[in-house]
Amino acid sequence: RKEVEQDPGPFNVPEGATVAFNCTYSNSASQSFFWYRQDCRKEPKLLMSVYSSGNEDGRFTAQLNRASQYISLLIRDSKLSDSATYLCVVNIGGTASKLTFGTGTRLQVTL
Amino acid sequence: ETGVTQSPTHLIKTRGQQVTLRCSSQSGHNTVSWYQQALGQGPQFIFQYYREEENGRGNFPPRFSGLQFPNYSSELNVNALELDDSALYLCASSFEQSPYEQYFGPGTRLTVT
Repeated sequence: RKEVEQDPGPFNVPEGATVAFNCTYSNSASQSFFWYRQDCRKEPKLLMSVYSSGNEDGRFTAQLNRASQYISLLIRDSKLSDSATYLCVVNIGGTASKLTFGTGTRLQVTL
Repeated sequence: ETGVTQSPTHLIKTRGQQVTLRCSSQSGHNTVSWYQQALGQGPQFIFQYYREEENGRGNFPPRFSGLQFPNYSSELNVNALELDDSALYLCASSFEQSPYEQYFGPGTRLTVT
């Protein structure tokens, strides 16, 4: 079983739609959770951290369910510029601040 | 832009050769991590350097090695290149106080033929 699993997509949605991505992680000792965004042939960029209480940043809302080992990202009012791959990322802890990435979910927003 | 730079941008090598990739971290960041991203996959952790010492390693063989310099810049060396080493190699830097908020450079795309 992969440490971090995501639906690879692609998700094709019209502009203005709401889209949700899900992610599960296998290690219950995971301590920190993030969503990164990666544009085609570019580096990953930190989109937002994910907290147990849930957090929101503009059109983006992230949720964490530790009991189910499940992370979600909701994007409201999708824009063309949201088209990218969204990577679910966890940190298990230990001596190194190693990030473990999912394979990513590709989003294509269309007119 | 994150301020993390990597060189070279692209590189083509032959199987069996050796390669050195370079990374300059963002100003003030003292921790550097290296990741390998194969096509269609998420980045995989290779190792991390903190205060010029290796601070953790992923599931990569010893032919992957690294260095960190006093100015916090870093090198990734790969010996005896294999075809499967073809990938995007990403460097990420972070503050000691926020080690999980990592900022990535643009990467070096390595092709092994």
